[in-house]
Amino acid sequence: AQSVAQPEDQVNVAEGNPLTVKCTYSVSGNPYLFWYVQYPNRGLQFLLKYITGDNLVKGSYGFEAEFNKSQTSFHLKKPSALVSDSALYFCAVRDGGDDKIIFGKGTRLHILP
Amino acid sequence: NAGVMQNPRHLVRRRGQEARLRCSPMKGHSHVYWYRQLPEEGLKFMVYLQKENIIDESGMPKERFSAEFPKEGPSILRIQQVVRGDSAAYFCASSPIGGRNNQPQHFGDGTRLSIL
Repeated sequence: AQSVAQPEDQVNVAEGNPLTVKCTYSVSGNPYLFWYVQYPNRGLQFLLKYITGDNLVKGSYGFEAEFNKSQTSFHLKKPSALVSDSALYFCAVRDGGDDKIIFGKGTRLHILP
Repeated sequence: NAGVMQNPRHLVRRRGQEARLRCSPMKGHSHVYWYRQLPEEGLKFMVYLQKENIIDESGMPKERFSAEFPKEGPSILRIQQVVRGDSAAYFCASSPIGGRNNQPQHFGDGTRLSIL
């Protein structure tokens, strides 16, 4: 069965510094990976996805993620954090042979001014 | 507003009552997914529907919960005889084609269900 882990409940970063939000996954087939962001009292917003091709994927709001097959990871990154990036971030995975997406528990990102 | 619309945004029910949550997918989307989010937890998949069909309900509790997506009208998630443990945020997402095509899901802002 597929699963996804976000090992950090919370990440604190100073504004202007680079940020990384970690995600590891487990699937039996080919992984399809996603990152979403959730602001308070709102639904999830799609940031980026990895399906195939380049391991570095660029998405919305300056975010990018790197797919690492050997480490089964898909960490979310941004070179320079903004206070407005503070939110809850979810990593998600779909196994190639399945229809549904499985979400991690989320990582709360705090960008400190 | 062309986004996924959920209503009501907040719903309060007493134990034993029924809760009906509605979701209108984005225009042109025929695939709907329901998720439940408990405080400080991620989203748990409940059910995946296509128009008039349940495709995958492996995340739905076997009792008291049901979902439908009729040919006309919104998708409905129905919870009968609610209990305190049903208190959560329920999110609906839609996509234009099925999950295996890897189109991102578009989410509504959720219904926050509180059971007194």
